[in-house]
Amino acid sequence: GQQLNQSPQSMFIQEGEDVSMNCTSSSIFNTWLWYKQDPGEGPVLLIALYKAGELTSNGRLTAQFGITRKDSFLNISASIPSDVGIYFCAGRYGGSQGNLIFGKGTKLSVKP
Amino acid sequence: NAGVTQTPKFQVLKTGQSMTLQCAQDMNHNSMYWYRQDPGMGLRLIYYSASEGTTDKGEVPNGYNVSRLNKREFSLRLESAAPSQTSVYFCASSSGWGSPLHFGNGTRLTVT
Repeated sequence: GQQLNQSPQSMFIQEGEDVSMNCTSSSIFNTWLWYKQDPGEGPVLLIALYKAGELTSNGRLTAQFGITRKDSFLNISASIPSDVGIYFCAGRYGGSQGNLIFGKGTKLSVKP
Repeated sequence: NAGVTQTPKFQVLKTGQSMTLQCAQDMNHNSMYWYRQDPGMGLRLIYYSASEGTTDKGEVPNGYNVSRLNKREFSLRLESAAPSQTSVYFCASSSGWGSPLHFGNGTRLTVT
């Protein structure tokens, strides 16, 4: 079946540092989504990408849809304590509503 | 605007008991989903409903049933709970194919 490899699994960084995480697959996707999950809450959409090569920003967050359609990355610039949480990528393939799979998450910790 | 509302927030069941997890959305979305989240496993799709009146199996449907009661509500039923069903369950909705998912805050279920 389809699989997404999300890395790194966890990051522990200093406040102010930039962060980069990515998702890769051997399969082609037609949509990439990036979510953030805070403890005890559901995932919240950060950025949606719909075209290969697309680069989209949301404040300090920037995400790109890889040109091969097999990968995506998320960058966070100048991290702050409230960036702490788990970040998930999700990729949609095929034409069915059920064809959306999630990476296993990147847990981000920020030291003030 | 509540978005996606899940009840209950927490539940403890004994093996063999049954229960229904409730989900309602007020965004007039066509599609609704049930996911389970386990440590290190990311989010896995149990069932989804692309539109009112239809339901389809996801990646891990065994042991579950669903009902799309109307456009707003999508319930998940465990007929005979097992310890392997201990998890956090998330309901989500989207306006349609290709649209991002919006998640509720989850139901934390423990089966002893």
